[in-house]
Formats: sequence, structure tokens, C-alpha cells
Amino acid sequence: GAGVSQSPRYKVTKRGQDVALRCDPISGHVSLYWYRQALGQGPEFLTYFNYEAQQDKSGLPNDRFSAERPEGSISTLTIQRTEQRDSAMYRCASSLALLGTGFMNTEAFFGQGTRLTVV
Amino acid sequence: DAKTTQPNSMESNEEEPVHLPCNHSTISGTDYIHWYRQLPSQGPEYVIHGLTSNVNNRMASLAIAEDRKSSTLILHRATLRDAAVYYCILRGTYNNNDMRFGAGTRLTVKP
Repeated sequence: GAGVSQSPRYKVTKRGQDVALRCDPISGHVSLYWYRQALGQGPEFLTYFNYEAQQDKSGLPNDRFSAERPEGSISTLTIQRTEQRDSAMYRCASSLALLGTGFMNTEAFFGQGTRLTVV
Repeated sequence: DAKTTQPNSMESNEEEPVHLPCNHSTISGTDYIHWYRQLPSQGPEYVIHGLTSNVNNRMASLAIAEDRKSSTLILHRATLRDAAVYYCILRGTYNNNDMRFGAGTRLTVKP
């Protein structure tokens, strides 16, 4: 696709239900990032992957949150037993990593986000 | 622990230059300095990045201090569409290329 695609765009779920948020990065992008953003706040880092390897999951708030990227492309962020405080915009971004004489991150592209509302 | 420090807010007049500062005193030799901005109701978008030398692109310029402990994003002629939150981020290399946003600087552009 032309850009980073996230689905669904909007999700309303009942408290206690599990939800799965999908991120389809730009083809060939090595790095994939997940963020949560509350209204009026900056993006809060959750986790990220290089290829299929989860490099850092220190931003995941608790063990109800998990993420995977099994084939190094599409990623899924799963929230189990959702709570009202999980309501937020969830954003995904991807970027290339150029390996030549060194390592350089290129610009990251963000998807439109998934607006999660837990009722 | 914050890796970058930015003023919470700044104001500018339309068509005047804007200099947005960022301090990153604990930067390592392999960290790149990235700037992103987020317009109201939109996702973050890339502005510019650099390692040691000053950088220019169609959107902005990035001036990096010689000791790399600070940098300045320069918008040469602010427009109303530049009103956004601007984020300065350090990105490492290889498997230290996480991308963490701080609070950023909210830029207000007055007509």
C-alpha cells in the first residue's frame, strides 16, 4: 500500500472484552512502532519491532497488553480484558533502516490510528 | 527519564522565522536527532533529522550545536498551517532505534 494502514479506524468495545488492533506497515519497512495517545497528550511509546523481533516492550502498561509481528510485516497489538482507562488513540508507525557504511533510520510514517473506546 | 528537553510552548507571528530549541545533553555518538510535528487532529509527521551537520529541506532547517548537546529547528517563515506540537527525538542505531516522544513544544502562530 501507499502508506501505513491501521484497522479498524474506530473500535467500541465493552469492558472486559479483548481487542486486536492491526497495523500494516509500508512494504519493506524494517522498524514498526506502537503508541497510545490520549487527548491533548503526546504519543506514549508502547513497543517496537525490527523485522519480527520485539526490541523493546518496556512501554506496555501491564501484562494485558501484548504485540506481535510474526513475519516481520503486519503487526497486531492485543489488549485483553479491556478497561475504560484503555480508551485512547492507538497509533502505529514504520520506517526503513538503511544499512550501508553505518545504520541510519529514515523518516517514520504514521498510520491514521485506531480510536478505541471502552464502555 | 527524558532524553530531550523542550519549552512547553512558543508563539510566533505569521511570516516571521521561528527557532524551536531542544536540549539533549545525554546524547550518544550514534544518536540521530529527529524532529516531528503533530497538527491538530492528525498523526505525527516527519520534519527533518540530522547527525552532526546542519540540514536543510523544503520544510525546515536543523541547526546542531558543535557538541551535539542541543539543536534548533528553524522554520524560515511561519504560516498559520505551521501551528502544531513539535517534537525533538533522539533515535539510536541498530537495535537501539526506539522512538520516544516527549511533551514537545506547542507552537502558536499569530496572524
